[in-house]
Amino acid sequence: NAGVTQTPKFQVLKTGQSMTLQCAQDMNHEYMSWYRQDPGMGLRLIHYSVGAGITDQGEVPNGYNVSRSTTEDFPLRLLSAAPSQTSVYFCASSYSNLVGELFFGEGSRLTVL
Amino acid sequence: QQQVKQSPQSLIVQKGGIPIINCAYENTAFDYFPWYQQFPGKGPALLIAIRPDVSEKKEGRFTISFNKSAKQFSLHIMDSQPGDSATYFCAAVKGGSYIPTFGRGTSLIVHP
Repeated sequence: NAGVTQTPKFQVLKTGQSMTLQCAQDMNHEYMSWYRQDPGMGLRLIHYSVGAGITDQGEVPNGYNVSRSTTEDFPLRLLSAAPSQTSVYFCASSYSNLVGELFFGEGSRLTVL
Repeated sequence: QQQVKQSPQSLIVQKGGIPIINCAYENTAFDYFPWYQQFPGKGPALLIAIRPDVSEKKEGRFTISFNKSAKQFSLHIMDSQPGDSATYFCAAVKGGSYIPTFGRGTSLIVHP
């Protein structure tokens, strides 16, 4: 049982480039979300999804797009990377009836030059 | 506006000490308060959680104390060990939701 899998673990981009961070879970969780973690800022919610075909914005959505075509996958897209998007990104999932209990991936460290 | 305020930002204790991490909130709609533990290079993982109908919850060496009237809750780690060195996040969840609002985290170092 792999849990929540994120790829890639590390990525360096140049300003203006685009990329997709992948997230997959094999626990049949309805709820999936993306966070960014920056020093002193904690975990800030970017986007979330309560099921296939349903997405919504979190606290810091600007510059990021998401889609949820299957229960298992929830990719995060950066269309035109900016240095302010340098961060560690975490994908998390949960059962909708286990309030607050998120299962996190191991993170993707992104550097934008 | 920070909905969940966490302090201190960093904490250093000796082995066997009792580090205490404090969190405060304003929104009375919060009704579930989990704590997450994150080791370097890993994602956060649920450590312990409490609902406001109890004042204290213990799981092993970890204890949450909850003061509903003051809208504060804290994590105590008894007999701390070097292996407890990690970043700890408090969080709060509104009733009817399953989206936690996180505090900014506390970096704990336990010296041998």
